[in-house]
Amino acid sequence: AQSVAQPEDQVNVAEGNPLTVKCTYSVSGNPYLFWYVQYPNRGLQFLLKYITGDNLVKGSYGFEAEFNKSQTSFHLKKPSALVSDSALYFCAVRDAGGYQKVTFGTGTKLQVIP
Amino acid sequence: DTGVSQDPRHKITKRGQNVTFRCDPISEHNRLYWYRQTLGQGPEFLTYFQNEAQLEKSRLLSDRFSAERPKGSFSTLEIQRTEQGDSAMYLCASSGTDPSYEQYFGPGTRLTVT
Repeated sequence: AQSVAQPEDQVNVAEGNPLTVKCTYSVSGNPYLFWYVQYPNRGLQFLLKYITGDNLVKGSYGFEAEFNKSQTSFHLKKPSALVSDSALYFCAVRDAGGYQKVTFGTGTKLQVIP
Repeated sequence: DTGVSQDPRHKITKRGQNVTFRCDPISEHNRLYWYRQTLGQGPEFLTYFQNEAQLEKSRLLSDRFSAERPKGSFSTLEIQRTEQGDSAMYLCASSGTDPSYEQYFGPGTRLTVT
């Protein structure tokens, strides 16, 4: 069975500092990996994805993520945090060759402190 | 592209009543997904459709839950004889067919069972 772990319930970072939100995954085949962001009382919004190729993927709003196959990780990063980045972030995985089901992590609340 | 819409946004019902939610996906998307999200958790997969065919159902989807997508466009999710444990945010998402495609989420329907 596929799974996603987001080990931090909350990450606090000062505005202007770099941020990292951690994600590790487990899947039997090759992974498709996704990051979504959720603002209060809103649906999830797609940020970026890893399908194949370059391990560093760039997405919306200056976010990027690094795929590490040996560590089965897909950490979300941003060089300089904004207060408006404060939200709930979800990592998700889908087996590229198997089920169409997407499995989400439990989410990490990012708090950017002015 | 008007995005994924869901109706109603909020529903308060008494235990034992039936409720029905509607989802209108992005028009060119042939895949439609339903998820349930509770506080502090990521979205949990319930079921998905490709066009009008329901291709997978989660074990979370008890006999009281039924979903339809009769013409391959909008979908409905019905919960019969609601229980307090059904209180959650119900999210709908849509995507293209390829498993590498990201999903686009609606704003969700928040169900409260009293």
